[in-house]
Amino acid sequence: GDSVTQMEGPVTLSEEACLTINCTYTATGYPSLFWYVQYPGEGLQLLLKATKADDKGSNKGFEATYRKETTSFHLEKGSVQVSDSAVYFCALTGVTGGGNKLTFGTGTQLKVEL
Amino acid sequence: EAQVTQNPRYLITVTGKKLTVTCSQNMNHEYMSWYRQDPGLGLRQIYYSMNVEVTDKGDVPEGYKVSRKEKRNFPLILESPSPNQTSLYFCASSLTGFMNTEAFFGQGTRLTVV
Repeated sequence: GDSVTQMEGPVTLSEEACLTINCTYTATGYPSLFWYVQYPGEGLQLLLKATKADDKGSNKGFEATYRKETTSFHLEKGSVQVSDSAVYFCALTGVTGGGNKLTFGTGTQLKVEL
Repeated sequence: EAQVTQNPRYLITVTGKKLTVTCSQNMNHEYMSWYRQDPGLGLRQIYYSMNVEVTDKGDVPEGYKVSRKEKRNFPLILESPSPNQTSLYFCASSLTGFMNTEAFFGQGTRLTVV
């Protein structure tokens, strides 16, 4: 079945540091890929998405590129802020389940300090 | 404001005492789903519904029931809760399936079964 693997956390960075959170996936065909963010005490919010190979999703300074050849969708940001502290989930929907299921990674907690 | 509302936010109950967690969305979405979030496991789908009176099992349906009598509501029912159902629960909705339309999540229900 489909699966998503993302790097273990927590990740602790100083403000203005560069961020990369690795995400790789296993799926049949061409899934859609997503990054969701969960701020403390809240539900998940869509951060960005990409629906086909080589697409780049971007939002709020975050970017991720759909790499079919390496089955990856790494999340990057050039300069993090304290307000970026949250848990980040990589996810996909694929042919398995007919697009009716989001398959999530385990989540990566990011802590940004002054 | 477009939103998915879950109630209650927090619940402590005893083993075997039936409970219902409600979920309501005001976006006229066809698709709704329940997830549970556990440390180290990410989010796993419990049940989903593609429209009124249409529901199907997700990855971890054992011990749960759902119903979809109205488009806006999708309650999660635990007929005989057990301690292994202690978890953080999220309801999600989207216009159609998750492949092409954004998923909106509720704020979560933290359930403790003692």
